[in-house]
Amino acid sequence: DGGITQSPKYLFRKEGQNVTLSCEQNLNHDAMYWYRQDPGQGLRLIYYSQIVNDFQKGDIAEGYSVSREKKESFPLTVTSAQKNPTAFYLCASSIDQEGAAYNEQFFGPGTRLTVL
Amino acid sequence: AQKVTQAQTEISVVEKEDVTLDCVYETRDTTYYLFWYKQPPSGELVFLIRRNSFDEQNEISGRYSWNFQKSTSSFNFTITASQVVDSAVYFCALSEARYGNKLVFGAGTILRVKS
Repeated sequence: DGGITQSPKYLFRKEGQNVTLSCEQNLNHDAMYWYRQDPGQGLRLIYYSQIVNDFQKGDIAEGYSVSREKKESFPLTVTSAQKNPTAFYLCASSIDQEGAAYNEQFFGPGTRLTVL
Repeated sequence: AQKVTQAQTEISVVEKEDVTLDCVYETRDTTYYLFWYKQPPSGELVFLIRRNSFDEQNEISGRYSWNFQKSTSSFNFTITASQVVDSAVYFCALSEARYGNKLVFGAGTILRVKS
């Protein structure tokens, strides 16, 4: 089955620790995205990548970092610089086709990060 | 600037009632796309529909229908004869041709359907 996997489903970390969230897709999509979801605020874009070895900041990139070494993988690191990291994190992918705006995004099941 | 407003934070209905979820958007682009996604309790967003700015025809898919009106910058979503399985958070989103595949989401509407 084609799809997007995110692991783990729930993650707990102590304040001040970096943590990396996994995102893997087998849809052969070029573009991948990371969103943060907070109650009542919808989804906000953290980072996105349209091609391997290239990525761009979204609206709330501060305190986060990403890498895109393989087409199918787009891990997100939440660093200690992120002031309020507790949130639900969603990974998505889409057929890029030169960044066409009409491509729908496919989402993974999400990771709920809690910083204690 | 891009903006999507879903003014209804939460809606509760009884099963079999019809319900409309509102979505108002702002854009300066003439070419743009509107989307609706459903987020069930499991957390994964599910794509429901896409509409481009040049196609104002209403769309119906089973119990779901969408009304796109450029004159009021709205893209409303109606569920006819709601069912408990429709309970979820629904998001409206916008992408503009000049920004490629970057989506801007509304805050979402929580729909609770009671039996």
